[in-house]
Amino acid sequence: ETGVTQTPRHLVMGMTNKKSLKCEQHLGHNAMYWYKQSAKKPLELMFVYSLEERVENNSVPSRFSPECPNSSHLFLHLHTLQPEDSALYLCASSLYDRTNEKLFFGSGTQLSVL
Amino acid sequence: QQQVKQSPQSLIVQKGGISIINCAYENTAFDYFPWYQQFPGKGPALLIAIRPDVSEKKEGRFTISFNKSAKQFSLHIMDSQPGDSATYFCAATASNTGKLIFGQGTTLQVKP
Repeated sequence: ETGVTQTPRHLVMGMTNKKSLKCEQHLGHNAMYWYKQSAKKPLELMFVYSLEERVENNSVPSRFSPECPNSSHLFLHLHTLQPEDSALYLCASSLYDRTNEKLFFGSGTQLSVL
Repeated sequence: QQQVKQSPQSLIVQKGGISIINCAYENTAFDYFPWYQQFPGKGPALLIAIRPDVSEKKEGRFTISFNKSAKQFSLHIMDSQPGDSATYFCAATASNTGKLIFGQGTTLQVKP
């Protein structure tokens, strides 16, 4: 295991539902990330939190709302999603020193929006 | 200019053969080039990485070759094994941005 745990592993939701993805890291890192992985596309960086402060927001639609209550936990709150939002959502952590030299990824949440 | 272009999209190699995956970039500010390996049902994991002050880095059967003038780098897997079957992502970052840019990924299948 990588030390980064994501729950749930799979999620099916309707377009009107509200759900949350959870990520927890046990590595003592001070930065956490959300990535979106779609088939045959590069991993897309969504959000970066460093020391619980959001330092990156890559023009992500407002229907995705991140929350980082402390350096070990990261949430992604989802509401009124679209079918094109179906993807694997990956959480990662690192020691943030502006280089992202080594990211530790969780196993992801496979999201299907019906 | 922020893109990292990776090829091929998929690759089939016989056991014992050499697997080669190529990446190209445009941003000359990039100064760190990692490769990540992802197995089905798992997140990507760092495999090997290189900085542009060297032209090659080897770790076991995995080698990165780096051509700074051509702005290209490649991953070579020697003596490929069925257990190497996975998706491989190249990536690049510039130290002053803290943002890792990934390639599209290559699905490698090593046949027994």
